[in-house]
Amino acid sequence: DVKVTQSSRYLVKRTGEKVFLECVQDMDHENMFWYRQDPGLGLRLIYFSYDVKMKEKGDIPEGYSVSREKKERFSLILESASTNQTSMYLCASSSPEDYSTDTQYFGPGTRLTVL
Amino acid sequence: SQQGEEDPQALSIQEGENATMNCSYKTSINNLQWYRQNSGRGLVHLILIRSNEREKHSGRLRVTLDTSKKSSSLLITASRAADTASYFCATDRNTGGFKTIFGAGTRLFVKA
Repeated sequence: DVKVTQSSRYLVKRTGEKVFLECVQDMDHENMFWYRQDPGLGLRLIYFSYDVKMKEKGDIPEGYSVSREKKERFSLILESASTNQTSMYLCASSSPEDYSTDTQYFGPGTRLTVL
Repeated sequence: SQQGEEDPQALSIQEGENATMNCSYKTSINNLQWYRQNSGRGLVHLILIRSNEREKHSGRLRVTLDTSKKSSSLLITASRAADTASYFCATDRNTGGFKTIFGAGTRLFVKA
């Protein structure tokens, strides 16, 4: 079974702090994703990566950056946390069978609260 | 903007009843997927249906796809309390490279 793990289930940070969210997958997947989930808004894509050292902006990249130095690890960085970044953060990975399929495997999520 | 939108937003049924959730989308797709999310957890993939398929089954799940109406439905038969979760449809963009887009979800509550 694919396993995607996230470094923390719950995290509380203060405004202005630098925050690192770590995600590790153990299935040698090429693709990795970071989403945030807010009530009524569903999942919104922040950043994704198709390969090591490669990153592409998703729909809401502002205020975030990412790092992918190793294939199995994808980090989300909040350079200066703000209260509007309080949310559930979900990491996912995938290894498409072909260009048209992208079944994603999700981690358990990190609920981040910024005070 | 969201590609897929689920309907209803919330659904409450008795154990043993069938639950039907719908998803509408705006642009043409290669495939459509349904995911489940238990409270406070990550999403779990349930089923994928390709654009050239009209119906697909997996256990108690039945998914239909109508590309002419740009809609899909997920039917859970003989629901159980353990089916209580949020259900999301996810579509890809048929043009400009694939990128999965998730809807806002339907919250299903199955009463024992």
